[in-house]
Amino acid sequence: EIVLTQSPGTLSLSPGERATLSCRASQSVTSSYLAWYQQKPGQAPRLLIYGASSRATGIPDRFSGSGSGTDFTVTISRLEPEDFAVYYCQQYGSSPRTFGGGTKVEIK
Amino acid sequence: EVQLVQSGAEVKKPGESLKISCKGSGYSFTTYWIAWVRQMPGKGLEWMGIIYPGDSDNRYTTYSPSFQGQVTMSADKSITTAYLQWSSLRASDTAMYYCVRTYTSASPFDYWGQGTLVTVSS
Repeated sequence: EIVLTQSPGTLSLSPGERATLSCRASQSVTSSYLAWYQQKPGQAPRLLIYGASSRATGIPDRFSGSGSGTDFTVTISRLEPEDFAVYYCQQYGSSPRTFGGGTKVEIK
Repeated sequence: EVQLVQSGAEVKKPGESLKISCKGSGYSFTTYWIAWVRQMPGKGLEWMGIIYPGDSDNRYTTYSPSFQGQVTMSADKSITTAYLQWSSLRASDTAMYYCVRTYTSASPFDYWGQGTLVTVSS
């Protein structure tokens, strides 16, 4: 099983700042089958990034993903008020599909 | 519009059985797979398993080792509905359960149901 470790656990930033979230895998992720999801309180998660760097439909271009192998990053170039949420990475190339523990982006 | 509509919240006692549902609409139900994700209170996401609704015998089903033998996934393509069931609930099954759509067994989860909250308490 691939274990995904996200860091930091919590990121305290102000609107307009840049956010960089990390996801490290215990072994190489097959074909960069790495996704990022955003979850707001009381809501289901939604897909942000897939294939490590492709934005899902409707996701603004302030969100970008990068990485390969075992190290992946999602960057939010300028935080908007609606971006404060919990972010999860997930690998979907190996079974069982696994999620990281999440990074909470909170308002400073 | 793609929708996954899940059944309502449930309150059960330990040892009881339960079957929750997830109805897909707005897309070809038999073209996509359905996965289930658990989220315990205040915790992260856990992949439970995946099923291909296009097979009437539900043969294409994979469970996470953590959930193998604990739950059963099934689907009825005639009514475009997937199910997750327990034969004997435990307090530790208290969680939000999401069904999600995925194009293949190795694809991201592009649409999520609204979640079904299951509470198990004596």
